[in-house]
Amino acid sequence: KNEVEQSPQNLTAQEGEFITINCSYSVGISALHWLQQHPGGGIVSLFMLSSGKKKHGRLIATINIQEKHSSLHITASHPRDSAVYICAVKGLQGAQKLVFGQGTRLTINP
Amino acid sequence: DADVTQTPRNRITKTGKRIMLECSQTKGHDRMYWYRQDPGLGLRLIYYSFDVKDINKGEISDGYSVSRQAQAKFSLSLESAIPNQTALYFCATSPIAGGTDEQFFGPGTRLTVL
Repeated sequence: KNEVEQSPQNLTAQEGEFITINCSYSVGISALHWLQQHPGGGIVSLFMLSSGKKKHGRLIATINIQEKHSSLHITASHPRDSAVYICAVKGLQGAQKLVFGQGTRLTINP
Repeated sequence: DADVTQTPRNRITKTGKRIMLECSQTKGHDRMYWYRQDPGLGLRLIYYSFDVKDINKGEISDGYSVSRQAQAKFSLSLESAIPNQTALYFCATSPIAGGTDEQFFGPGTRLTVL
């Protein structure tokens, strides 16, 4: 079993729909990252969080440390949101690296 | 100008050839990483470096080597390329401050080994 599991692996929706992507992890963490990879391949960091909730524009990320679970929400989805969304975690003290989920491929149709 | 650059962006080579992928950054970050990405798999860490004199193996270092020539440069070499090293390779950097490893990625290098 991977340390970081994302669901769903693929998601197709219509423009305007509310999107939720889930990330579950099995280890204690100091931080969780959400990243976006566009069809051209480039990867950008969206959020880094260790508790609670963060919002940036139409994107909202939440984390429940007790349940070892995070969600990424997209409100009023748009075709330009089509991308692969990647969850990554950093372990507790002494951890030297991030562990990545396999990604969720999101397609938003007009 | 891009903060993290990778060269080449695409490379096709033959089995047994030596290949070097280069990464440069202008962010002033001490930490640099090399990852590979395969379809259906998450990013996997090949090597990482926390400063010029520090080199560490990641989870899939076999068949690869690295060189940290300066704070700004981190090169990945495949001494004798094999077809299962065909993948998308990413370089990333992160600052020490904060300790949460926010990473900044280069544009990727698509490597095909025939």
